[in-house]
Amino acid sequence: GQQLNQSPQSMFIQEGEDVSMNCTSSSIFNTWLWYKQDPGEGPVLLIALYKAGELTSNGRLTAQFGITRKDSFLNISASIPSDVGIYFCALSGNQFYFGTGTSLTVIP
Amino acid sequence: EAQVTQNPRYLITVTGKKLTVTCSQNMNHEYMSWYRQDPGLGLRQIYYSMNVEVTDKGDVPEGYKVSRKEKRNFPLILESPSPNQTSLYFCASSRYGTGYEQYFGPGTRLTVT
Repeated sequence: GQQLNQSPQSMFIQEGEDVSMNCTSSSIFNTWLWYKQDPGEGPVLLIALYKAGELTSNGRLTAQFGITRKDSFLNISASIPSDVGIYFCALSGNQFYFGTGTSLTVIP
Repeated sequence: EAQVTQNPRYLITVTGKKLTVTCSQNMNHEYMSWYRQDPGLGLRQIYYSMNVEVTDKGDVPEGYKVSRKEKRNFPLILESPSPNQTSLYFCASSRYGTGYEQYFGPGTRLTVT
């Protein structure tokens, strides 16, 4: 199946700091998605990316996928305690592929 | 309220005892899918369905069956569960497949002893 490498695996940051995580794929995709999963819940969509090179924002979140369409990043600015969770990148085709996740811990 | 529901939320069973996990969505979505989530492996797609009576294998279909007789329902069947199927299972739906975001159910934690 499709390989999706997500990094870093985990992050421990102070409240107020900015966060950056990224994802690379072995194939080209035209739709990239970023999800967040809270403990005991299903993933929830944060941002959907449809156009390579275009920056998309959702509040304190910003994401983009590259011109090569094989990589994407997600930035979170001024982190707060409720940002804690696991963040997944995902690729949307007939099949959906998810990265292995980045676990974020925010220290108050 | 638009949602994906799964039942049961928790299930403990024994090896070989057939079980079904139900999934239902009320958003009139064409596409439905099942995933399993294991530590360190992220979410892996088991089966997906582009429409009624159309199902396809995902990355990890072995040991699972699905059916899509109605648009809103997409049950996951384990004919003979084994301990390596102990996992957290999610059902998801989207309006269509390619290019559309998926909405997830709350998850079913299955333990097979």
